Amino acid sequence: AQTVTQSQPEMSVQEAETVTLSCTYDTSESDYYLFWYKQPPSRQMILVIRQEAYKQQNATENRFSVNFQKAAKSFSLKISDSQLGDAAMYFCAYRSGSGYSTLTFGKGTMLLVSP
Amino acid sequence: KAGVTQTPRYLIKTRGQQVTLSCSPISGHRSVSWYQQTPGQGLQFLFEYFSETQRNKGNFPGRFSGRQFSNSRSEMNVSTLELGDSALYLCASSLYISGGQDTQYFGPGTRLTVL
Repeated sequence: AQTVTQSQPEMSVQEAETVTLSCTYDTSESDYYLFWYKQPPSRQMILVIRQEAYKQQNATENRFSVNFQKAAKSFSLKISDSQLGDAAMYFCAYRSGSGYSTLTFGKGTMLLVSP
Repeated sequence: KAGVTQTPRYLIKTRGQQVTLSCSPISGHRSVSWYQQTPGQGLQFLFEYFSETQRNKGNFPGRFSGRQFSNSRSEMNVSTLELGDSALYLCASSLYISGGQDTQYFGPGTRLTVL
């Protein structure tokens, strides 16, 4: 079974600074997808970024980028120019490429942003 | 395009009762997944439906059931409620592109409190 580990329960960053959230996963599959979701206090789960395992190029979405290290099974999220609105719980998630849509989530990292 | 909607947003029930939660996916999405989110266990997969058929099921007791209608709307039912069923129940929909390339988009959740 796949597992996703987020070792940082909480991280803090100041506005305009850069922060990196860590995620590692364990799988024996070669075809899979990785995601970062953001859950603000409203509890709405919002997709931040997605990475296909077969792509070597790291995904980017505006201020959000990932560092995908397939051999190390590491998938970290970098948030540049942090904003107050980035404050939320961030979840790393794994999805098999076998066809089912099931996501396996990490425990989450709470990101605090201070002015 | 409208997002995933879930009704009701909040529910209070007592032990032993049953409850039905509803989820309407994004228009055109045919796959619906349900997740339970609790502070202790995090996000756990309940089940996934595609074309009115349950394709995958998580490790939950038989008190948890679901179904999907021909318009892709889905309901989940919990019978004989227990205190431990108090949680945020999240629904997610996806297009289900063959090969597992699709992405799940989440609704705002239903907060269930069991007294």
